[in-house]
Amino acid sequence: GAVVSQHPSWVICKSGTSVKIECRSLDFQATTMFWYRQFPKQSLMLMATSNEGSKATYEQGVEKDKFLINHASLTLSTLTVTSAHPEDSSFYICSARDERTQYFGPGTRLLVL
Amino acid sequence: AQSVSQHNHHVILSEAASLELGCNYSYGGTVNLFWYVQYPGQHLQLLLKYFSGDPLVKGIKGFEAEFIKSKFSFNLRKPSVQWSDTAEYFCAVNRDGGYNKLIFGAGTRLAVHP
Repeated sequence: GAVVSQHPSWVICKSGTSVKIECRSLDFQATTMFWYRQFPKQSLMLMATSNEGSKATYEQGVEKDKFLINHASLTLSTLTVTSAHPEDSSFYICSARDERTQYFGPGTRLLVL
Repeated sequence: AQSVSQHNHHVILSEAASLELGCNYSYGGTVNLFWYVQYPGQHLQLLLKYFSGDPLVKGIKGFEAEFIKSKFSFNLRKPSVQWSDTAEYFCAVNRDGGYNKLIFGAGTRLAVHP
């Protein structure tokens, strides 16, 4: 089946630093990838849609200058949390779309101290 | 706006009991429907999906779901649950074609007692 990986799986950083999270589709090409946040005991919240070779589309309320998304190839999208603050601590999940189905990565847990 | 409702937030069952989790959506056009499962400490995995054709869809691990267009529903069922089915279950919908943004329900947390 379609496999999506994320790296790192967890990261702890100091407030004010930037963190980059990678999302890769391992066995298929994904024109579109998605980035979500999941808060404890809650559903996934879509942050942005990332299309290969073009600018990401952000959901309402998501700061595009804070959450930089780059989709450089059909198998790689990156999310950079810039100048991270404790309130950015969360579980970030990416997905990659194969035709009409989204396959999810294992998530990256970010803790900002 | 599109929305997805999962009626049961928490479900507790004994092993071998039957399971039905409700899912209703609000969009009136053609939709694609999905159930995902998230086992404790693991990532979201696709259980089953419906695009078109037979409205009764069979997925992995003995799960099935029925699309009832007139009721805007896509309920998930399993005749006999196991302890290993303890997980959180998410229903998701997207519009067929065009912008394929998934809309998730709030999730249903299932606990199965041995």
